[in-house]
Formats: sequence, C-alpha cells, structure tokens
Amino acid sequence: DSGVTQTPKHLITATGQRVTLRCSPRSGDLSVYWYQQSLDQGLQFLIQYYNGEERAKGNILERFSAQQFPDLHSELNLSSLELGDSALYFCASSPAGTVNTEAFFGQGTRLTVV
Amino acid sequence: DAKTTQPNSMESNEEEPVHLPCNHSTISGTDYIHWYRQLPSQGPEYVIHGLTSNVNNRMASLAIAEDRKSSTLILHRATLRDAAVYYCILSVYNQGGKLIFGQGTELSVKP
Repeated sequence: DSGVTQTPKHLITATGQRVTLRCSPRSGDLSVYWYQQSLDQGLQFLIQYYNGEERAKGNILERFSAQQFPDLHSELNLSSLELGDSALYFCASSPAGTVNTEAFFGQGTRLTVV
Repeated sequence: DAKTTQPNSMESNEEEPVHLPCNHSTISGTDYIHWYRQLPSQGPEYVIHGLTSNVNNRMASLAIAEDRKSSTLILHRATLRDAAVYYCILSVYNQGGKLIFGQGTELSVKP
C-alpha cells in the first residue's frame, strides 16, 4: 500500500458527460501528480500541483482541469468526455516535488466512456 | 523532455541476476536517474534513484556510468514477482520532480 488513495476505482460513463476523480496523497506530501495511461499512449504526465499551486503542466487537454485543495487532496475533472478518454488515471504524491525524491502512486481509477 | 532508451523486453530465469540497461546520452549534470516498475494491473512503484554514485536499496542496485550517459538496474535474484515493466526516467532539475515515462522494458521471469 503506497498510502495514496484514489476514488472511485472504476467509473463507467457516457460520451459528453463530466466526471471527477479524487486523490488523497500520503500524509504530509505536498506535491500531487496526475497521469493518464491508455493502451496506445502509455503513461502520460498531465499536471502537477504543489501545496495548492499548479507547478507543471503536461499533455492535459483543455477539457480536463485539476485543483489541489487546502487539505492537499486533489481532484481531476474531465468534461465533454469522448471514447478516447477511456484510460487508467493515476495520481502520485511526493513530499516536496523535487528531482531527488520518490513518488508514490495510487492504484488508479479506470475510466470507461461508452 | 529528457529522453531515455531501453530495450522493449528482456527475459530472465528465476533466482538469477538481471541487468536492465538504460541509455540517456542527453542527460545534464543536475538530472537524477529514476527507476520505477509497474506490475500488471497496478500503479507504478518506485524502485531506486541516483545522481552520480551507484546506489543500493532493499529492492535493487543502480549502477551509473562514469559519464552518466547510461545506467543499469540490477535485480540480484529475480523472482516471479519481479515480472513487470521497468521504466528508466530522468527527473530534470527545475521541473518539479515530474516523471516522463517512456515505453520501458517488459521483464518476464521464467521459473
């Protein structure tokens, strides 16, 4: 158990809908990362937050947004869903979000868009 | 983003050592080398990381070439549970510790 909790574990929704994925980082970790893993794209970095502020942005679509709350949990919002958004979404946390610290990943949320 | 090159797949026998290579010829002096692995149906798991010197922990050893353009992850005695995709990643200074995953090496372990 990495200490990172993601909910829900599975989500099935229809095209055009909006969903929210939630991540609770390890206790004390200030940095949260979101990744998308699909069969054809591998693990793609989406976005990083550090202590409530956006720190780095990757290949995140405009239909997707995220935030980190004062209690350090994070949410990833996906809207106007398309079939191609079906993927595993992972959240990771690290103590300081620096190059020499390890990241701890959750078990992921499997999103299926039908 | 800083790039690494790994073989797509490798095979090993159980209880034998495994050496997983990684090339990172464009590494800069402040980039850290990280290794993660992903077991089937699980999130990635941290294995080890280092900057210049070789590193050891309970899971593995990391051997870094003197010019830092390549590194090798060493599993001292492979078990069936070590079958996974292993990712070699450069963590770039001033980029917040984000990890850019490549395709990784799929390691299979034969009993």
